[in-house]
Amino acid sequence: SAVISQKPSRDICQRGTSLTIQCQVDSQVTMMFWYRQQPGQSLTLIATANQGSEATYESGFVIDKFPISRPNLTFSTLTVSNMSPEDSSIYLCSGRPSSYNEQFFGPGTRLTVL
Amino acid sequence: RKEVEQDPGPFNVPEGATVAFNCTYSNSASQSFFWYRQDCRKEPKLLMSVYSSGNEDGRFTAQLNRASQYISLLIRDSKLSDSATYLCVVNEDNSGYSTLTFGKGTMLLVSP
Repeated sequence: SAVISQKPSRDICQRGTSLTIQCQVDSQVTMMFWYRQQPGQSLTLIATANQGSEATYESGFVIDKFPISRPNLTFSTLTVSNMSPEDSSIYLCSGRPSSYNEQFFGPGTRLTVL
Repeated sequence: RKEVEQDPGPFNVPEGATVAFNCTYSNSASQSFFWYRQDCRKEPKLLMSVYSSGNEDGRFTAQLNRASQYISLLIRDSKLSDSATYLCVVNEDNSGYSTLTFGKGTMLLVSP
């Protein structure tokens, strides 16, 4: 199994600012992902974080708004840029050791934008 | 658009009851399927994978019907601790990498 931690666990931010969320996995994982979950909604995949190259974004998400870094097999960051109240959500980091193994999730970062 | 559909519930059942959840998926090319459990204000955790032949893990039984693109989860002898949201999850293959598509979840409330 993999244990995933995220920082910060929660934050309240002002409109127009940016927040970087850090994700640390206790073991190397092949794949890392970033999801968003709004109240009462399902998890929505933002992007796949690729080691050493640009992330692969899902429809509706762009790099300028959600820049992602993944410098190695155990760490990734997601930045929520130029925030608006619509960005208020829980952001979850996820890792998968290989394409066919269980996918693990971090505890999430609860973001509120005022 | 690839979708995973679930009845949001809530399903209110007494302890000891048997309850079943269903899920349908739109992408006929999907290869693997899972049920995740999510407790309130917590992250999702894998409950069980769903195999074509059906599989059982204690009180939990999962079944897959590829022809109907339908997945089910049966919980027998419900416990209070089973109260949670159950997420139906489908693994999609996209140009060489795979991603999970989540349903909105079915909420289960088990009462004494």
